Order: sequence, then structure tokens, then C-alpha cells
Amino acid sequence: GAVVSQHPSWVICKSGTSVKIECRSLDFQATTMFWYRQFPKQSLMLMATSNEGSKATYEQGVEKDKFLINHASLTLSTLTVTSAHPEDSSFYICSADDRGDYGYTFGSGTRLTVV
Amino acid sequence: RKEVEQDPGPFNVPEGATVAFNCTYSNSASQSFFWYRQDCRKEPKLLMSVYSSGNEDGRFTAQLNRASQYISLLIRDSKLSDSATYLCVVLMDSSYKLIFGSGTRLLVRP
Repeated sequence: GAVVSQHPSWVICKSGTSVKIECRSLDFQATTMFWYRQFPKQSLMLMATSNEGSKATYEQGVEKDKFLINHASLTLSTLTVTSAHPEDSSFYICSADDRGDYGYTFGSGTRLTVV
Repeated sequence: RKEVEQDPGPFNVPEGATVAFNCTYSNSASQSFFWYRQDCRKEPKLLMSVYSSGNEDGRFTAQLNRASQYISLLIRDSKLSDSATYLCVVLMDSSYKLIFGSGTRLLVRP
């Protein structure tokens, strides 16, 4: 089945620094990828839709200048959390639609802790 | 009102029990529906799609009632390994966005 690889799986960073998370589709091309955030005991909340070759579409309340998304190729989307703060600590997950029988495939997630 | 609503549980059942989860969605234009399973601190994984005719995959049966905007998941003969959070998910066909319910937690005890 379709595989989405997400790295890193966990990261600890200091307040004020930036963190980049990568999401790769390994065996299919994904013109669209999605970035979610999940706080403890809450559901996944869509942050933005990443479109290959064009600007990302952000959900209401998500700061586009803080969460920079780049989708430069059909197999790679990156999310950069800029000037991270402790309240940005969360589980970030990407997904891609392989337009096949597997629904949307998710990356393994990145647990970000900002100290 | 949330777009996708689920009972958070937890449902605590013995092995072998049958358990049912319900989910309601608010957007009548939604066309595609799924159940995902999420283990603690892991990514969600597709359990099954939900069709109007209903579908079954082994011990799991999913049903969709469009008139009531209601989705269900039935798990028969529960196993310890079924313990997880089950997410009801609706696909917004116009935007291909997945909208997640908050999940129902299942605990299967020996």
C-alpha cells in the first residue's frame, strides 16, 4: 500500500527557534498533502492544505507566517514552525491522498516539544 | 455544533464482547466516510470506508444512514488488540479535506 514517510518522529527545541518537518510520499505522487495538529486527548485538526507548485491554503486561525509550508515536488512537503513557543508543542501529522483504494495515508507524526 | 461528533467514551468491555460506536455529521453534502483507528501516540490508520450499502470486514461492520447523517461501527468478538481510539472521519468532496471526530476510546479487558 501507499507509504508516507514523516521526519523527524520527535524533536525538542528551544523557544524562539524554528523546526522543519518533512513529509514524503514514497511510492506515489501527491499533488496535495495535508498538515494536521493534534493536542493531547483531542482530535486531529487540519492546519493547512499543501499544494504542489502553489501556495498552501491555511485553515482559519492558523498563522501562515508562523507555519510555513513548502511543496516543491510531487513527493515532498515541508512544514516549518517558526519562532516556536511552548504552546506550539503538539503532535504534527501529514497525510496524502494516493487516489487509490487506501484512502488518505498518514505519516507517522512528529511530536514537537518546545522548551 | 461540531462537524463530526462522537461519544468520547471510554467504552470498557470484556474480551469477546460486541461494541458499537456512533457518529453524526452536520454537512449533508458530505459524500465519503471512513473509520480510522489511532493507537496512543501514533498516527491514524484507515480501518474501513463506509458505504451507503454498509460494509463488513471480518469482525468489523460499518453502516451509513444518510437521512439521519449517522455513521456506525460495530466490532464483534472484541480482542485485546482492538483497544484504541476510533475516529469517525468525513471527507469534504469539494475540497478533499478530511474532518475528524474527536474519537471514541475503546478498552478491551481480559
